Amino acid sequence: EAAVTQSPRSKVAVTGGKVTLSCHQTNNHDYMYWYRQDTGHGLRLIHYSYVADSTEKGDIPDGYKASRPSQENFSLILELASLSQTAVYFCASSDPGQGNTEVFFGKGTRLTVV
Amino acid sequence: AQSVTQPDARVTVSEGASLQLRCKYSYSATPYLFWYVQYPRQGLQLLLKYYSGDPVVQGVNSFEAEFSKSNSSFHLQKASVHWSDSAVYFCALSRGGSNNRIFFGDGTQLVVKP
Repeated sequence: EAAVTQSPRSKVAVTGGKVTLSCHQTNNHDYMYWYRQDTGHGLRLIHYSYVADSTEKGDIPDGYKASRPSQENFSLILELASLSQTAVYFCASSDPGQGNTEVFFGKGTRLTVV
Repeated sequence: AQSVTQPDARVTVSEGASLQLRCKYSYSATPYLFWYVQYPRQGLQLLLKYYSGDPVVQGVNSFEAEFSKSNSSFHLQKASVHWSDSAVYFCALSRGGSNNRIFFGDGTQLVVKP
């Protein structure tokens, strides 16, 4: 079964500190995504990637960097964490090249910045 | 531009009652449409999807949705809800093709009363 694994599942970070969220997929998918979910809202796209060693900006990229060192791994980096970045972060993967636009999600990382 | 609107932030129904969760989309062409469900502290799971053909699509757990191009809608329905259906439901749209961006509505919280 397709799988997207995120780590850590939850994290408390200090304002101004660096945070790295990791994502690993075993789907053999080309596309990977990082979304942010705030309470009572849908998901907003931060960064995405369609090939290793390349990332693209989504709708809300400010304050975030992304890294795709391999097809399987995709990281989200907060260089200087801020209170406003407290949210739940979801990683996802898909492979539209196979004619299937379904997106598979990880279970999320709950980030609290204090 | 494309967007998804879920006009009801919260819907409360009694167990055994029928259910309709509304979804309206904005997109100039025929989109790929999805309904996802999110249980507490979980990622999003696909309920059903519409790509083309029969406008009524069946999903998991007896959910179905009907696509209407004239109304730009993709409402989710279930004949008889169970308490375990309590969750947040997201309608989503994709343009398909090589650019597999997916756009989410803000979600509808479904509460099923015993």
